[in-house]
Amino acid sequence: DTEVTQTPKHLVMGMTNKKSLKCEQHMGHRAMYWYKQKAKKPPELMFVYSYEKLSINESVPSRFSPECPNSSLLNLHLHALQPEDSALYLCASSPKAVAGGHTDTQYFGPGTRLTVL
Amino acid sequence: AQSVTQLGSHVSVSEGALVLLRCNYSSSVPPYLFWYVQYPNQGLQLLLKYTSAATLVKGINGFEAEFKKSETSFHLTKPSAHMSDAAEYFCAVSHNTDKLIFGTGTRLQVFP
Repeated sequence: DTEVTQTPKHLVMGMTNKKSLKCEQHMGHRAMYWYKQKAKKPPELMFVYSYEKLSINESVPSRFSPECPNSSLLNLHLHALQPEDSALYLCASSPKAVAGGHTDTQYFGPGTRLTVL
Repeated sequence: AQSVTQLGSHVSVSEGALVLLRCNYSSSVPPYLFWYVQYPNQGLQLLLKYTSAATLVKGINGFEAEFKKSETSFHLTKPSAHMSDAAEYFCAVSHNTDKLIFGTGTRLQVFP
Protein backbone atom coordinates (compact mmCIF):
# COMPACT_ATOMS: atom_id res chain seq x y z
CA ASP A 1 0.00 0.00 0.00
CA THR A 2 1.71 3.19 -1.20
CA GLU A 3 -1.12 5.55 -0.50
CA VAL A 4 -1.73 8.46 1.82
CA THR A 5 -5.43 8.98 2.41
CA GLN A 6 -7.14 12.14 3.61
CA THR A 7 -10.66 12.75 4.81
CA PRO A 8 -12.83 14.59 4.14
CA LYS A 9 -12.21 15.59 0.52
CA HIS A 10 -14.13 18.81 0.98
CA LEU A 11 -15.05 20.76 4.11
CA VAL A 12 -17.07 23.92 4.56
CA MET A 13 -17.09 25.48 8.00
CA GLY A 14 -18.09 28.66 9.73
CA MET A 15 -15.68 30.76 11.72
CA THR A 16 -17.04 29.46 15.02
CA ASN A 17 -16.98 25.78 14.11
CA LYS A 18 -14.61 23.09 15.31
CA LYS A 19 -13.62 20.46 12.77
CA SER A 20 -10.81 18.00 12.16
CA LEU A 21 -8.90 16.80 9.13
CA LYS A 22 -7.62 13.25 9.10
CA CYS A 23 -4.63 11.69 7.34
CA GLU A 24 -3.63 8.03 7.30
CA GLN A 25 -0.76 6.02 5.85
CA HIS A 26 0.12 2.35 6.15
CA MET A 27 3.59 2.44 4.60
CA GLY A 28 5.42 2.35 7.91
CA HIS A 29 6.63 5.92 7.43
CA ARG A 30 7.82 7.65 10.59
CA ALA A 31 7.62 11.25 9.41
CA MET A 32 4.33 12.97 8.63
CA TYR A 33 3.64 16.48 7.42
CA TRP A 34 0.85 19.03 7.09
CA TYR A 35 0.97 21.58 4.28
CA LYS A 36 -1.31 24.42 3.29
CA GLN A 37 -1.63 25.26 -0.40
CA LYS A 38 -3.31 28.34 -1.80
CA ALA A 39 -4.35 28.50 -5.43
CA LYS A 40 -1.49 28.78 -7.92
CA LYS A 41 1.10 28.59 -5.12
CA PRO A 42 3.47 25.88 -3.88
CA PRO A 43 2.65 24.00 -0.69
CA GLU A 44 3.65 25.75 2.54
CA LEU A 45 4.88 23.57 5.35
CA MET A 46 2.87 23.84 8.56
CA PHE A 47 3.93 20.98 10.83
CA VAL A 48 6.28 17.99 10.87
CA TYR A 49 5.90 14.95 13.10
CA SER A 50 8.92 12.73 13.57
CA TYR A 51 8.33 9.41 15.35
CA GLU A 52 4.96 10.72 16.56
CA LYS A 53 6.49 13.82 18.12
CA LEU A 54 6.08 17.34 16.81
CA SER A 55 9.47 18.36 15.43
CA ILE A 56 8.65 21.44 13.35
CA ASN A 57 5.97 24.08 13.77
CA GLU A 58 6.31 26.78 11.16
CA SER A 59 4.84 29.49 13.39
CA VAL A 60 1.33 28.36 12.59
CA PRO A 61 -1.52 30.16 14.44
CA SER A 62 -2.92 28.26 17.41
CA ARG A 63 -6.30 27.91 15.72
CA PHE A 64 -4.59 24.98 13.93
CA SER A 65 -3.76 22.15 16.31
CA PRO A 66 -2.00 19.02 15.04
CA GLU A 67 -2.15 15.61 16.67
CA CYS A 68 -0.37 12.34 15.92
CA PRO A 69 -2.16 9.57 17.86
CA ASN A 70 0.01 6.81 16.37
CA SER A 71 2.54 6.21 13.62
CA SER A 72 -0.16 5.79 10.94
CA LEU A 73 -2.48 8.64 11.77
CA LEU A 74 -2.23 12.41 11.69
CA ASN A 75 -4.99 14.84 12.56
CA LEU A 76 -5.35 18.58 12.17
CA HIS A 77 -7.88 20.15 14.52
CA LEU A 78 -9.42 23.41 13.36
CA HIS A 79 -11.10 26.01 15.55
CA ALA A 80 -12.14 29.61 14.98
CA LEU A 81 -10.68 29.77 11.51
CA GLN A 82 -10.67 32.84 9.31
CA PRO A 83 -11.79 33.09 5.67
CA GLU A 84 -8.15 33.49 4.64
CA ASP A 85 -7.52 29.97 5.95
CA SER A 86 -9.50 28.60 3.03
CA ALA A 87 -7.06 26.44 1.05
CA LEU A 88 -6.11 22.91 0.05
CA TYR A 89 -4.61 21.11 3.05
CA LEU A 90 -2.17 18.40 2.10
CA CYS A 91 -0.78 15.63 4.23
CA ALA A 92 2.45 13.83 3.37
CA SER A 93 4.60 11.08 4.82
CA SER A 94 8.18 9.97 4.28
CA PRO A 95 10.05 6.75 5.10
CA LYS A 96 12.35 8.11 7.71
CA ALA A 97 12.46 11.10 9.92
CA VAL A 98 15.90 12.54 9.55
CA ALA A 99 17.72 14.69 12.03
CA GLY A 100 20.61 16.49 10.44
CA GLY A 101 20.14 14.66 7.16
CA HIS A 102 18.19 14.98 3.95
CA THR A 103 14.47 14.48 4.07
CA ASP A 104 13.50 11.43 2.07
CA THR A 105 10.82 11.35 -0.60
CA GLN A 106 7.55 12.72 0.66
CA TYR A 107 4.37 11.00 -0.49
CA PHE A 108 1.35 13.25 -0.62
CA GLY A 109 -2.32 12.61 -0.07
CA PRO A 110 -5.02 14.06 -2.33
CA GLY A 111 -5.78 16.88 0.08
CA THR A 112 -8.80 18.37 1.82
CA ARG A 113 -10.33 21.42 0.16
CA LEU A 114 -11.32 23.69 3.06
CA THR A 115 -13.66 26.65 2.72
CA VAL A 116 -14.18 28.95 5.70
CA LEU A 117 -17.28 31.12 5.52
CA ALA B 1 19.92 29.35 2.75
CA GLN B 2 18.66 26.79 0.29
CA SER B 3 16.30 27.91 -2.45
CA VAL B 4 14.82 26.83 -5.75
CA THR B 5 14.05 28.98 -8.78
CA GLN B 6 11.75 27.80 -11.52
CA LEU B 7 12.09 29.97 -14.61
CA GLY B 8 8.79 30.43 -16.37
CA SER B 9 5.54 30.25 -14.48
CA HIS B 10 3.83 29.07 -17.66
CA VAL B 11 5.13 26.88 -20.47
CA SER B 12 3.07 26.00 -23.54
CA VAL B 13 3.99 23.29 -26.03
CA SER B 14 2.29 21.45 -28.84
CA GLU B 15 1.48 17.79 -28.48
CA GLY B 16 4.52 15.80 -29.56
CA ALA B 17 6.96 18.64 -28.91
CA LEU B 18 9.85 18.63 -26.45
CA VAL B 19 9.02 19.63 -22.88
CA LEU B 20 11.66 21.58 -20.96
CA LEU B 21 10.93 22.89 -17.48
CA ARG B 22 13.75 24.76 -15.79
CA CYS B 23 14.89 24.51 -12.20
CA ASN B 24 17.91 26.09 -10.58
CA TYR B 25 18.84 25.53 -6.97
CA SER B 26 20.97 27.17 -4.37
CA SER B 27 22.54 24.94 -1.76
CA SER B 28 25.66 25.07 0.34
CA VAL B 29 25.71 21.29 0.68
CA PRO B 30 25.03 18.52 -1.84
CA PRO B 31 21.29 18.60 -2.25
CA TYR B 32 18.58 16.11 -2.84
CA LEU B 33 16.37 17.36 -5.67
CA PHE B 34 12.82 16.39 -6.58
CA TRP B 35 10.29 17.05 -9.30
CA TYR B 36 6.62 16.70 -8.38
CA VAL B 37 3.55 17.00 -10.60
CA GLN B 38 0.14 18.20 -9.45
CA TYR B 39 -3.01 17.68 -11.50
CA PRO B 40 -6.01 19.91 -10.78
CA ASN B 41 -7.59 19.32 -7.38
CA GLN B 42 -5.13 16.58 -6.53
CA GLY B 43 -2.10 16.09 -4.31
CA LEU B 44 1.51 16.09 -5.47
CA GLN B 45 2.95 13.04 -7.19
CA LEU B 46 6.67 12.34 -7.33
CA LEU B 47 8.04 12.31 -10.88
CA LEU B 48 11.69 11.69 -10.06
CA LYS B 49 14.43 12.49 -7.58
CA TYR B 50 18.18 13.00 -7.47
CA THR B 51 20.04 11.74 -4.41
CA SER B 52 23.70 12.06 -5.46
CA ALA B 53 23.87 8.85 -7.49
CA ALA B 54 23.53 9.06 -11.30
CA THR B 55 23.28 12.60 -12.61
CA LEU B 56 20.71 11.65 -15.25
CA VAL B 57 17.56 10.57 -13.49
CA LYS B 58 14.66 8.84 -15.22
CA GLY B 59 11.20 9.16 -13.78
CA ILE B 60 7.64 8.17 -14.48
CA ASN B 61 5.61 9.05 -17.57
CA GLY B 62 8.71 9.43 -19.76
CA PHE B 63 10.21 12.36 -17.84
CA GLU B 64 13.87 12.69 -17.00
CA ALA B 65 16.11 15.31 -15.40
CA GLU B 66 19.83 15.95 -15.38
CA PHE B 67 21.70 17.23 -12.35
CA LYS B 68 24.37 19.73 -13.40
CA LYS B 69 26.43 20.88 -10.46
CA SER B 70 28.38 23.43 -12.49
CA GLU B 71 25.14 25.12 -13.54
CA THR B 72 23.26 24.40 -10.26
CA SER B 73 20.43 23.14 -12.42
CA PHE B 74 18.02 20.23 -12.46
CA HIS B 75 15.88 20.79 -15.56
CA LEU B 76 13.01 18.43 -16.36
CA THR B 77 12.55 17.16 -19.91
CA LYS B 78 10.30 14.90 -21.91
CA PRO B 79 10.96 14.23 -25.59
CA SER B 80 7.34 14.25 -26.70
CA ALA B 81 4.52 15.99 -24.85
CA HIS B 82 1.15 14.38 -24.40
CA MET B 83 -2.11 16.10 -23.62
CA SER B 84 -2.20 14.28 -20.29
CA ASP B 85 1.04 16.04 -19.24
CA ALA B 86 -0.84 19.31 -18.71
CA ALA B 87 -0.42 20.06 -15.00
CA GLU B 88 1.54 22.09 -12.45
CA TYR B 89 5.13 21.02 -11.91
CA PHE B 90 7.14 21.78 -8.79
CA CYS B 91 10.88 21.47 -8.30
CA ALA B 92 12.01 21.00 -4.71
CA VAL B 93 15.27 20.76 -2.79
CA SER B 94 16.05 19.23 0.55
CA HIS B 95 19.17 19.46 2.61
CA ASN B 96 20.01 18.99 6.23
CA THR B 97 16.49 19.29 7.57
CA ASP B 98 13.10 17.62 7.41
CA LYS B 99 11.94 20.30 5.01
CA LEU B 100 11.35 20.37 1.30
CA ILE B 101 11.91 23.79 -0.25
CA PHE B 102 9.57 24.18 -3.21
CA GLY B 103 9.92 26.37 -6.25
CA THR B 104 7.00 28.55 -7.28
CA GLY B 105 5.83 26.04 -9.86
CA THR B 106 5.45 25.92 -13.63
CA ARG B 107 2.11 25.35 -15.31
CA LEU B 108 2.49 23.25 -18.43
CA GLN B 109 -0.12 23.60 -21.15
CA VAL B 110 -0.18 21.18 -24.05
CA PHE B 111 -1.99 22.16 -27.25
CA PRO B 112 -3.24 19.67 -29.83
